[in-house]
Amino acid sequence: GQQLNQSPQSMFIQEGEDVSMNCTSSSIFNTWLWYKQDPGEGPVLLIALYKAGELTSNGRLTAQFGITRKDSFLNISASIPSDVGIYFCAGQLDNAGNMLTFGGGTRLMVKP
Amino acid sequence: GAGVSQSPSNKVTEKGKDVELRCDPISGHTALYWYRQSLGQGLEFLIYFQGNSAPDKSGLPSDRFSAERTGGSVSTLTIQRTQQEDSAVYLCASRPDPLSYNEQFFGPGTRLTVL
Repeated sequence: GQQLNQSPQSMFIQEGEDVSMNCTSSSIFNTWLWYKQDPGEGPVLLIALYKAGELTSNGRLTAQFGITRKDSFLNISASIPSDVGIYFCAGQLDNAGNMLTFGGGTRLMVKP
Repeated sequence: GAGVSQSPSNKVTEKGKDVELRCDPISGHTALYWYRQSLGQGLEFLIYFQGNSAPDKSGLPSDRFSAERTGGSVSTLTIQRTQQEDSAVYLCASRPDPLSYNEQFFGPGTRLTVL
């Protein structure tokens, strides 16, 4: 099925560093969502974006809904060890089911 | 519990066997979704149930896959004649009311391994 293009696929972080990841799509979405998945668990919603151009923060997380409605980015400031995990972007259309189309994920790991 | 639960957490089966995966959504949630997550990939939509309406099966990859939702609550995903490419984590999500609130709450998933 269709997936969003999410990058980077993986990255190493050092505590205190800022982190950026983004998603692009050839299709327009009406809502962009960012999830985090820890090992053995389902994804948990971090931030939801509902309007083109919207910039939303949740603690150290900041996400933006691209003006074209075809992209979004997520920034994590001053990373901490518990930020490791897999981050997924997801796009949603306002159709009857509101099914989500997911990116391939960005795996955050700690630098040795 | 308060969250979405799924069982079993892990399932190993032989190629050609049928498997059933169970999802218990959050009580009162009217919408239920099944997704598949292959190794190192994002989630892929499979099927969606909303109340008593006919399910949206547009994401099912083949006719070996089917799902039902009994009494508007528990759902079972069935995979017949399993193939090795069916190996993945199968995630269930539920949602209070798609018209008024957007968040889908995910269960921990069932990891299926087809030998």
